[in-house]
Amino acid sequence: KAGVTQTPRYLIKTRGQQVTLSCSPISGHRSVSWYQQTPGQGLQFLFEYFSETQRNKGNFPGRFSGRQFSNSRSEMNVSTLELGDSALYLCASSLVTGSRNTEAFFGQGTRLTVV
Amino acid sequence: ILNVEQSPQSLHVQEGDSTNFTCSFPSSNFYALHWYRWETAKSPEALFVMTLNGDEKKKGRISATLNTKEGYSYLYIKGSQPEDSATYLCAPDRTGGGNKLTFGTGTQLKVEL
Repeated sequence: KAGVTQTPRYLIKTRGQQVTLSCSPISGHRSVSWYQQTPGQGLQFLFEYFSETQRNKGNFPGRFSGRQFSNSRSEMNVSTLELGDSALYLCASSLVTGSRNTEAFFGQGTRLTVV
Repeated sequence: ILNVEQSPQSLHVQEGDSTNFTCSFPSSNFYALHWYRWETAKSPEALFVMTLNGDEKKKGRISATLNTKEGYSYLYIKGSQPEDSATYLCAPDRTGGGNKLTFGTGTQLKVEL
């Protein structure tokens, strides 16, 4: 069974540009969440998509957006990149069962560097 | 903002030592507590999802306990091995379903020969 796949693995962008990251969840998983990891901040929740709708949102500016397609694949977009957006972006997928002990499975992440 | 604290921040132990880490979290609106192991250059790997007060879970040499009333969880590693070297993260889930986790900053474990 294939795991969570994120592309690209590494990315270098210039300040002011925009970037799109992609996440393919485990087959059958309909919930996709995105997290940002920066040094000293730990993993911070960005947003979660389920059935093509944003269901939860973290405390990030509107420059960070996402979407989910009918096949559950998700993309995350950051517009007008700032140096502080340099981070590891992780996505996680989970099977929506209504159970409290549902695991989230993570991809390996996209390392974004803004110069 | 949910305050999740993990201690210690880092730990160096010798092979064969047993060790434990602490995760503290607000006890209100609790659904579950997730523990992850994150090795360098790999994906975070789920260790346990714990939901009930007094829960105790075990996977090989690693075990965890949960106290939801006072808001803490302990992770124990018995007989540490070099392959246990990783960052251990805890994350309370306050919405259910594992979709919106609030992570602590982790405990970085280094096991030396």
